[in-house]
Amino acid sequence: DSGVTQTPKHLITATGQRVTLRCSPRSGDLSVYWYQQSLDQGLQFLIQYYNGEERAKGNILERFSAQQFPDLHSELNLSSLELGDSALYFCASSVGGLAGVTDTQYFGPGTRLTVL
Amino acid sequence: SQQGEEDPQALSIQEGENATMNCSYKTSINNLQWYRQNSGRGLVHLILIRSNEREKHSGRLRVTLDTSKKSSSLLITASRAADTASYFCATDAKAGTASKLTFGTGTRLQVTL
Repeated sequence: DSGVTQTPKHLITATGQRVTLRCSPRSGDLSVYWYQQSLDQGLQFLIQYYNGEERAKGNILERFSAQQFPDLHSELNLSSLELGDSALYFCASSVGGLAGVTDTQYFGPGTRLTVL
Repeated sequence: SQQGEEDPQALSIQEGENATMNCSYKTSINNLQWYRQNSGRGLVHLILIRSNEREKHSGRLRVTLDTSKKSSSLLITASRAADTASYFCATDAKAGTASKLTFGTGTRLQVTL
């Protein structure tokens, strides 16, 4: 158990809908990262938050947004869902997360999103 | 896009044999990490090697890093059926103001009895 929790575990929804994925980092970790894993794209970095502020953006679509709250939990919002958004979404956390800092990321169990 | 490419894509060995997986990357890095993922589950951190290190050991794992060739290898000795999983390398690039990991394509390891 990494100490990172994600809810829900599974999510099935229809195209055009909006969903929210939730992540609670390990106690003491300030950074939260979101990743998407799909069969065709592999594991892709989406976005990072550090202590409530956005730090880095990866291949995140404009239909997707995220935030990190004062208690450091994070939510990933996916809207106008398409079939191709079906994937595993992972959250990870680390103590730091700033450039030049060697930091291990601890991954949650993931949310499996299926868009029908 | 993927920073790392792993080789082989899939590997099947018998229990007790050694498994070697290779990872190549493109840009300068702060560190390189290896993760394991059991089917459909979360990633588990295995080992981190810094850019100024050449070799690191952790139990049955041995990781090497050659920054001049931009490559790393993960060796699992005396493999067990429980080692069956996908293995990913991930690099933490030097550029930018944040620390984000870029994952390779992964090697699927199958260890049979």
